[in-house]
This record gives sequence, structure tokens and C-alpha cells, in this order.
Amino acid sequence: QVQLQESGPGLVKPSETLSLTCTVSGGSVSFYYWSWIRQPPGKGLECIGYIHYSGSTNYTPSLKSRVTMSVDTSKNQLSLKLNSVTAADTAVYYCARSRSGWDYFEYWGQGTLVTVSS
Amino acid sequence: EIVLTQSPGTLSLSPGERATLSCRASQSVSSSYLAWYQQKPGQASRLLIYGASSRAIGIPDRFSGSGSGTDFTLTIDRLEPEDFAVYYCQQYGSSPQTFGQGTKVEIK
Repeated sequence: QVQLQESGPGLVKPSETLSLTCTVSGGSVSFYYWSWIRQPPGKGLECIGYIHYSGSTNYTPSLKSRVTMSVDTSKNQLSLKLNSVTAADTAVYYCARSRSGWDYFEYWGQGTLVTVSS
Repeated sequence: EIVLTQSPGTLSLSPGERATLSCRASQSVSSSYLAWYQQKPGQASRLLIYGASSRAIGIPDRFSGSGSGTDFTLTIDRLEPEDFAVYYCQQYGSSPQTFGQGTKVEIK
């Protein structure tokens, strides 16, 4: 059974960089697309973007200037970096797997809450 | 972008009853690229339906999806205790892919 687990600091200061890792178990990161999705408290789900195991990426336009995604096939991990964060970036962050870039998500992590506050 | 509006916001039902959840799109969803997910607190979201009506692997047949164009429905026959959760629809036919705001199915 494929499992995804997000990890990283739960508290980030404004203007700093949010860094999260998604560890994949029960399967390989290879041959799939991996997305990051977030959900601010009391709000809807927003796709941040995706990365293919080959390293190609596609970010949502509103966050493109601040986002970097990467994949480490040797560790079976993905990472997300979002710089210059503000309170508006406070959210539960999820990683998820799909078979193509714009597609439904077969597997999700349980999410990790990141709060942006001084 | 395509806006998905889910209704109702909350559905109060008893175990054994049928739940009917609606997802309406602001524009036609290409090729019925519409999925449904179940979300429970502290758990990974679970894919229920893709392609508007295809059940994902391992999903019980009491879950069914239907619809096309701009109107889609998720039906849960004979609600089980584990079915009380929040349900989201997602369209992946147009960029950016978008989600509805969710319907909470709660125990009456």
C-alpha cells in the first residue's frame, strides 16, 4: 500500500522559507507525478503545482515566483520550498500522487499544518 | 478557471440512509474529468470516483458517481458509520485543476 507522509516545521516566520518533505513508502517516486496541495484554515483546496520524477515541474501561476519543488529518487522523497511567506500561506499542506500532471490524485498524505507567525 | 460549487454544505443523515451530493461547475468539465474524494480528520484523503463515474480500486459499490457537462453527483447508498466525512469534487480537465469547497456528511 502506497503511503505518503509530509514532514517539516509547523511554524515559520514571515518572510522566511517554508520547507516540507514528503516521504513515499510502499512504492517508488519513479514514473509518477507528485503534487503539493494546500488548504488554508476554513478554506478550500488549492493546487500549488506538480513535479514529475524526471524533475520537470509545473507551478500554479499565483505562486510560481516563490515555489520550488524537487524530487530525490534515491531517498524516495519530494520536497517543497515556498519563500517569502506571509500569514496567507498558513495552511495544511498535502502531497499527492497522480499518473499525469493534470489528473486525479490516487494517493494523498495526511497533511501537515504550517503556521506563518512571528 | 472553473469554479466548482458543492451543495449542500452539510448533510445530516442517519446510518442506512442515502446521501446525494452535488457538484456544479461554472463551465463544462472536459471529458467528464471529475473526481470525488473523502476526507477525514488526521487521515489521508481517499479517491472515490474518477472520470465522473468510475470507482477507484477498493471503493465499495455503495459509492457511485454520475453526471456530465456542468452537473455531477456523488451518491452513497446505505450510509455506513465510516462514511461520515467531508467530500470534495475536483475537476482536472482544465488548467488549473480546481476543487469544490466540500460537503460535510454528518450523523443526524
